[in-house]
Amino acid sequence: AAGVIQSPRHLIKEKRETATLKCYPIPRHDTVYWYQQGPGQDPQFLISFYEKMQSDKGSIPDRFSAQQFSDYHSELNMSSLELGDSALYFCASSPPTSPYEQYFGPGTRLTVT
Amino acid sequence: AQSVTQPDIHITVSEGASLELRCNYSYGATPYLFWYVQSPGQGLQLLLKYFSGDTLVQGIKGFEAEFKRSQSSFNLRKPSVHWSDAAEYFCAVGAFNQAGTALIFGKGTTLSVSS
Repeated sequence: AAGVIQSPRHLIKEKRETATLKCYPIPRHDTVYWYQQGPGQDPQFLISFYEKMQSDKGSIPDRFSAQQFSDYHSELNMSSLELGDSALYFCASSPPTSPYEQYFGPGTRLTVT
Repeated sequence: AQSVTQPDIHITVSEGASLELRCNYSYGATPYLFWYVQSPGQGLQLLLKYFSGDTLVQGIKGFEAEFKRSQSSFNLRKPSVHWSDAAEYFCAVGAFNQAGTALIFGKGTTLSVSS
């Protein structure tokens, strides 16, 4: 079965640089979520989109922005990167038939040096 | 506010022994409850979920969980653990009054399996 695709899988950036993470949800899933998982931490919700509109917002820094496109893929844009942004970033998607089930991608590991 | 507590940070179980991972939640209404498993450096895989109905839910890989409203618990169980079950386990709760609502995760329990 198709899964959530995230790219890139690994990304190394320097402080103050920008990064763009991409997420391709499972086909026919209309809701996308972004989570951040720091080392040894539980995943923390950042933001979600339903039918290309922002539906919920968590602890997302103002330096970050995201959007969902007409093909339902989503991008998380991160600017002025800080060392503390180093983390595993997960995207999850859920289907219209069962909007409460979130299926996670493999994550993008971002390292800021 | 919703919250999830996983009291055990780390558990070691012998291969073939039974397993129970504890999860307590705080939420005013009937919660939506989930267990996810994460292998090192990997994504989160959904093991099972509870929305309503039968309080004993079956999941993948031989796992089951029981919802107990009176105890605000949703403990994960497996009758016989395999070495491949060693991983991080997260309990999560959701309040889905609208599409796109976030999951709140517990801090996780690391499961080690000894031979």
